[in-house]
Amino acid sequence: KNQVEQSPQSLIILEGKNCTLQCNYTVSPFSNLRWYKQDTGRGPVSLTIMTFSENTKSNGRYTATLDADTKQSSLHITASQLSDSASYICVVSDRGSTLGRLYFGRGTQLTVWP
Amino acid sequence: EADIYQTPRYLVIGTGKKITLECSQTMGHDKMYWYQQDPGMELHLIHYSYGVNSTEKGDLSSESTVSRIRTEHFPLTLESARPSHTSQYLCASRGTAETQYFGPGTRLLVL
Repeated sequence: KNQVEQSPQSLIILEGKNCTLQCNYTVSPFSNLRWYKQDTGRGPVSLTIMTFSENTKSNGRYTATLDADTKQSSLHITASQLSDSASYICVVSDRGSTLGRLYFGRGTQLTVWP
Repeated sequence: EADIYQTPRYLVIGTGKKITLECSQTMGHDKMYWYQQDPGMELHLIHYSYGVNSTEKGDLSSESTVSRIRTEHFPLTLESARPSHTSQYLCASRGTAETQYFGPGTRLLVL
């Protein structure tokens, strides 16, 4: 069964600190993995996308890693800001699907305190 | 910022009423999607469309229906709303690239 599991479910950190969010998946065949940021009451916004051959991708203070062998990904946030408070969702796409079928994790709810 | 819009953003309605959630995008994308998301839970695909006059049901069974008469417009309709329909509904679109662009969502509360 294709699944995406994220941990931790929620996380509280102080402003300026770093944090790392985890994503494990069983989706096969694998096409790509995305990290989305979803602010409360808003739709998800794409942060990074990685294919099978990529093992790291950065977007400003966000750095995503991918280990396709162990089917694990992480999202590292550096020097957190209050605006980073949001749900971070790991999304995996299977290969060869014209639909672009996506498998969503439940997200990690990050709260950054001043 | 993606050009995909949803209205209304919030809707409170009584049981039995007919409602239509609007979704439009100005990017000329062929593929469009409707997802349902409950608090703290993952998104579930309920409908999708490959293009005009193409609609399919998604993974999660839903009593809603959709139509795709124009490329830019993908409305979702509930003929008779029930409290079990209370949720957040997210519309998305995708062009030739892999990324899906999401609208801001509609939060529906059925009393």
